[in-house]
Amino acid sequence: GQQVMQIPQYQHVQEGEDFTTYCNSSTTLSNIQWYKQRPGGHPVFLIQLVKSGEVKKQKRLTFQFGEAKKNSSLHITATQTTDVGTYFCGVRGGYQKVTFGTGTKLQVIP
Amino acid sequence: SAVISQKPSRDICQRGTSLTIQCQVDSQVTMMFWYRQQPGQSLTLIATANQGSEATYESGFVIDKFPISRPNLTFSTLTVSNMSPEDSSIYLCSIEAGGRRNEQFFGPGTRLTVL
Repeated sequence: GQQVMQIPQYQHVQEGEDFTTYCNSSTTLSNIQWYKQRPGGHPVFLIQLVKSGEVKKQKRLTFQFGEAKKNSSLHITATQTTDVGTYFCGVRGGYQKVTFGTGTKLQVIP
Repeated sequence: SAVISQKPSRDICQRGTSLTIQCQVDSQVTMMFWYRQQPGQSLTLIATANQGSEATYESGFVIDKFPISRPNLTFSTLTVSNMSPEDSSIYLCSIEAGGRRNEQFFGPGTRLTVL
C-alpha cells in the first residue's frame, strides 16, 4: 500500500499561533484525506482532496494538495484549545481501504 | 452520517485468553474494517470484513490470531486470540459512508489492556 509520512510528530503552540502539519509520499497519490482524533476519542473525518493543487478551507483550517500530488498540508490559523488532538492524513486506496500517516500530535498552550 | 457502536468499550485481560469485540452499525454496509491503534501510534488496518465471505487480512495479520465474523450487513466481531501484552491497543471498527466524500466513520473503539 501507499505509505505517507507526516511531520512534525509533535507540535506545541501557544494559543493564537498558527499550526501546520505536512504529509509526504514518495509516490503520486490519487487522493488525500485528513482526520482529527481528540485525546481519548476516535478519528473523525475532516476532508478529502483529489485534484492537483487543490485548496479547501473549513473555517480556520486550510487544506492543500500539492501540484505533484505527492504531498499535502493542513494549516490551522490562530489555534484554539479545542484544536488539541492528533491530525492524521490518509490515502484511500482500493476496496475503500485507508492507509493512515504517522500523525501529528498538537498541543495548544492556553 | 452513520452511528457505530462497539462493545466492550474497554477491558483488561490476562495473557493467553481471548476477547471478542462487537461492532454494530445503524445502517447496512457492504464493507466493515477493523483497525488497531497501538499506544501513541497511528491506525493500522487489520482486515476487511465483507458479509457472506471470508475476511481479507492485511500483511502481518492472520485469521488464527484475529478471527472475524460478519453475519449480516450491520454487525461484525473481531476476536483477539491467545492474547499477549503486545496486543494491548485500541481496536476500532469503521465503515465508509456512501457519497462522494468517501468519508470513513469510526466506532468509539475498544481499549484493550493485556496483563
